[in-house]
Amino acid sequence: EPEVTQTPSHQVTQMGQEVILRCVPISNHLYFYWYRQILGQKVEFLVSFYNNEISEKSEIFDDQFSVERPDGSNFTLKIRSTKLEDSAMYFCASSSAEKLFFGSGTQLSVL
Amino acid sequence: GENVEQHPSTLSVQEGDSAVIKCTYSDSASNYFPWYKQELGKRPQLIIDIRSNVGEKKDQRIAVTLNKTAKHFSLHITETQPEDSAVYFCAARGNSWGKFQFGAGTQVVVTP
Repeated sequence: EPEVTQTPSHQVTQMGQEVILRCVPISNHLYFYWYRQILGQKVEFLVSFYNNEISEKSEIFDDQFSVERPDGSNFTLKIRSTKLEDSAMYFCASSSAEKLFFGSGTQLSVL
Repeated sequence: GENVEQHPSTLSVQEGDSAVIKCTYSDSASNYFPWYKQELGKRPQLIIDIRSNVGEKKDQRIAVTLNKTAKHFSLHITETQPEDSAVYFCAARGNSWGKFQFGAGTQVVVTP
């Protein structure tokens, strides 16, 4: 069964550094999302992406964040100048007709 | 925007008993309501979903009910087993292809 894949599974970075989280959505899906989950908390929406542009973003998704679909398969989240509070599990998700499927996540730790 | 409230935050049940988790949503235009199960350290997995034109859906030991008038929906797990122990999240989608707004989650613990 097709799955959303994410790399890396863990990322440790120093505060102020830039990180890029990578995702390969399910191949026939058209809608892509990034969510994050701080340990023990709810899954929070960051951004949705369709037709090569952002369709919706949350208040969390400020100028520090950007998304890109550099080719026909990858979908990336870039976090510039990371802060301690960016430490979380970041989930990529994709959807076709209706159902939303999550990737296995990237655990980001900002030191 | 859409706001989803989920209760209870924790639920402890004896093996074999039933578990019920309730969610309310604010946007009357929401039309799709999935439920996810998340085991520790893993991704949320879709376990059941319901569309706004359906009142109830069942899949083996799990069922979901939707009351559009009251804007609430519930997950029912019958004959609970230890492997049902996980965090369960409800979600609502405000419009077609839009973002999914998640509830805060319910930690279900099934004790043998």
